[in-house]
Amino acid sequence: KQEVTQIPAALSVPEGENLVLNCSFTDSAIYNLQWFRQDPGKGLTSLLLIQSSQREQTSGRLNASLDKSSGRSTLYIAASQPGDSATYLCAVLNQAGTALIFGKGTTLSVSS
Amino acid sequence: DAGITQSPRHKVTETGTPVTLRCHQTENHRYMYWYRQDPGHGLRLIHYSYGVKDTDKGEVSDGYSVSRSKTEDFLLTLESATSSQTSVYFCAIRSGTQYNEQFFGPGTRLTVL
Repeated sequence: KQEVTQIPAALSVPEGENLVLNCSFTDSAIYNLQWFRQDPGKGLTSLLLIQSSQREQTSGRLNASLDKSSGRSTLYIAASQPGDSATYLCAVLNQAGTALIFGKGTTLSVSS
Repeated sequence: DAGITQSPRHKVTETGTPVTLRCHQTENHRYMYWYRQDPGHGLRLIHYSYGVKDTDKGEVSDGYSVSRSKTEDFLLTLESATSSQTSVYFCAIRSGTQYNEQFFGPGTRLTVL
């Protein structure tokens, strides 16, 4: 059974710092991996999607990497801002494409 | 926002009553999903649909049923609500591209007293 783990569960950093969020999964047979952002009391916003054949994707200050063989992904946030404060969720899509399996998230707090 | 709406957005109900949550999409996506989000468990798949009248179970389907009579609507029904079904429920669609990216609705907060 696929399990997704995100470490750390919470992270506090000062504004301007670069940071890395980690995601690991137990079964490398995935279709893709998505990173989401969730603000308190809100829905999920898709940030980046990495296909299983890709190594990384970039969007603005965000860069996500994927190492399928080791079952790891990282989300790199450059020059963090207070507006980046949110919970970040990692999810893998099974090979059949039928189900996203989520980690429990990393709650990020960026102080000004 | 992928044109997904959920109704109601908030609901308080009593144990044993039936509850139906609605997910509506405007972009003709084939795949639709229902998830629940609980502290300590993250998001878990309840049911999904791959077309009109085509549905299948997810990880936590006990106590829930779904129906999809039109492409745009996916209904989640709790036949007899229990306190353990107090949760935030999210609907999602899967894009029609080869990337299979999922997009989520705003959620429904359900409290069962």
